[in-house]
Amino acid sequence: DMKVTQMPRYLIKRMGENVLLECGQDMSHETMYWYRQDPGLGLQLIYISYDVDSNSEGDIPKGYRVSRKKREHFSLILDSAKTNQTSVYFCASSFGTANERLFFGHGTKLSVL
Amino acid sequence: GDSVTQTEGQVTVSESKSLIINCTYSATSIAYPNLFWYVRYPGEGLQLLLKVITAGQKGSSRGFEATYNKETTSFHLQKASVQESDSAVYYCALSDRGGDQGGSAKLIFGEGTKLTVSS
Repeated sequence: DMKVTQMPRYLIKRMGENVLLECGQDMSHETMYWYRQDPGLGLQLIYISYDVDSNSEGDIPKGYRVSRKKREHFSLILDSAKTNQTSVYFCASSFGTANERLFFGHGTKLSVL
Repeated sequence: GDSVTQTEGQVTVSESKSLIINCTYSATSIAYPNLFWYVRYPGEGLQLLLKVITAGQKGSSRGFEATYNKETTSFHLQKASVQESDSAVYYCALSDRGGDQGGSAKLIFGEGTKLTVSS
């Protein structure tokens, strides 16, 4: 069953708290992504991971870090969250390293108060 | 940089009527980027709807069509007769690949257009 699973679906945090968003996929895809989407904007790429411990910055990496210790899992970490990081976060995966068919999770709606 | 613009944030269409969702792009990293439509149905993740990698070609899927127009730099999504099950958010996207070669295949997405089909 080809699936990308994001946890949690909704999260409320206070400014300055640490945030961990988790993503898993069951397709053994090499490449995984974290995007965020704000109202009126397209999805913006935060980080790409090409495999375990092989991560690259996307277009808006500032304020975020990632961890990929197993091929199936890709975590997004916000150290000391800021109110402008309130957004919907999407995780995705794809087969290979240059494949434009991405499989997305449902998204995590994060509110930083 | 590269960008994708969808002018309508929301569209409401009556069932069995025709639909067009507008998409224009600007590509500076490559002359002819690959173009995509992704769709997010309620309760599901985004998924690829259709893809066109050659200028002038048309892609189709699930009754939807989109033609790669390099003159107007557009990739509008059309359907002749929509159904309630088509209600979803539609995203236009481009990548820096030309055809099946080169580039990083990094996708640039538009803002999305929420389609509501009324019965």
